[in-house]
Amino acid sequence: EAQVTQNPRYLITVTGKKLTVTCSQNMNHEYMSWYRQDPGLGLRQIYYSMNVEVTDKGDVPEGYKVSRKEKRNFPLILESPSPNQTSLYFCASSRTFPGGNIQYFGAGTRLSVL
Amino acid sequence: GESVGLHLPTLSVQEGDNSIINCAYSNSASDYFIWYKQESGKGPQFIIDIRSNMDKRQGQRVTVLLNKTVKHLSLQIAATQPGDSAVYFCAENYGGATNKLIFGTGTLLAVQP
Repeated sequence: EAQVTQNPRYLITVTGKKLTVTCSQNMNHEYMSWYRQDPGLGLRQIYYSMNVEVTDKGDVPEGYKVSRKEKRNFPLILESPSPNQTSLYFCASSRTFPGGNIQYFGAGTRLSVL
Repeated sequence: GESVGLHLPTLSVQEGDNSIINCAYSNSASDYFIWYKQESGKGPQFIIDIRSNMDKRQGQRVTVLLNKTVKHLSLQIAATQPGDSAVYFCAENYGGATNKLIFGTGTLLAVQP
């Protein structure tokens, strides 16, 4: 089954404690992306990756890091989480560029930073 | 439950009626548009897409209309069912080499039995 898998689904942490949210896709997609979703603001892109070892900032990259060492995996790293990073996070992938190619989303990770 | 539906405009329809959800997009150069459905506790799910060289595209029970003159997109759902209850949002792809989609904030569709 084609899917994007995120882990964990729910995470509660404290300010400053480094965490990683994993994302994996089994569709051999080149393009992967991370979004955060906040009430009233919609989906906002954090980082994206066009292919292995190619990553770039989205609209709200501050406080986040990513890596793309393998085609299937695109982890999101919060080196020092803060309460304003409490949000619902989604990983997505598409065959190539997002325009003209359907983005498939994971089920989401709800993060609470205390 | 998830808080995605809070602060969103809500469309309430009776089961069996047709639903029309509207979206205004921002960039006249956008060349590709997608509608997504997001159920509570789940990630966005693709419904239908349309390119800017088209005015209308039909799927199973859904139709997307594109009016480039006024930068407006609509999603029509025929014979709305309780399983259609969700947040619906549109996304536009800025033209050229921009590698991202811009998402709207969404509309909550509530289907009354």
